[in-house]
Amino acid sequence: DIQMTQSPSSLSASVGDRVTITCRASQIISNYLNWYQQKPGKAPRLLIYAASSLQSGVPSRFSGSGSGTDFTLTISSLQPEDFATYYCQQSYSPLAVTFGGGTKVKIK
Amino acid sequence: EVQLVESGGGLAQPGGSLRLSCAASGLTLSSYSMNWVRQAPGKGLEWVSYISSSSTIYYADSVKGRFTISRDTAKNSLYLQMNSLTAEDTAMYYCARIGVVLARPFDYWGQGTLVTVSS
Repeated sequence: DIQMTQSPSSLSASVGDRVTITCRASQIISNYLNWYQQKPGKAPRLLIYAASSLQSGVPSRFSGSGSGTDFTLTISSLQPEDFATYYCQQSYSPLAVTFGGGTKVKIK
Repeated sequence: EVQLVESGGGLAQPGGSLRLSCAASGLTLSSYSMNWVRQAPGKGLEWVSYISSSSTIYYADSVKGRFTISRDTAKNSLYLQMNSLTAEDTAMYYCARIGVVLARPFDYWGQGTLVTVSS
């Protein structure tokens, strides 16, 4: 299986901060990389697909980049509603989709 | 509006069985590839099973031989039959649709149904 390693596992930030989360795949996955946001007690929500495409309805402060094995999710100016856990997911191998371990974004 | 609503979770004994359902509205479920994803309490997301629109099926190694995914076109519903349950199967179970775009993202999720395996 393709392993997905996210870093950091948690971070503390203030409203207005620029936040960057990284995700590394154990093998090349082209741009088959998606990002999700999950708030406590809620289902995950798709933010970014194909590494850099913004899902409809997602604020433009969210952006994604990368290809191959290294990917980044950036929140340009953190808002109060962005405090949540973020997961990357590789879909290169449809018979074994895998998620990163998650990054919890906390209020500083 | 697309809605996915899971049901069927609850308390099961080790070695027991449960059948989860995912009722879809606002989409024809058989036209899409669908997944089950689970999340143990306080843990991350784990993909469980996949069924394509053409009925190709995959399972995670952790559930292979114990879980069965299926679909009922007439009821527009997805199912997960779970047998030989263990404590490690305790989790919130979500159904999720694969979007018809590059990178096959999970674009719609249900609210989840909680499975607890305990004696």
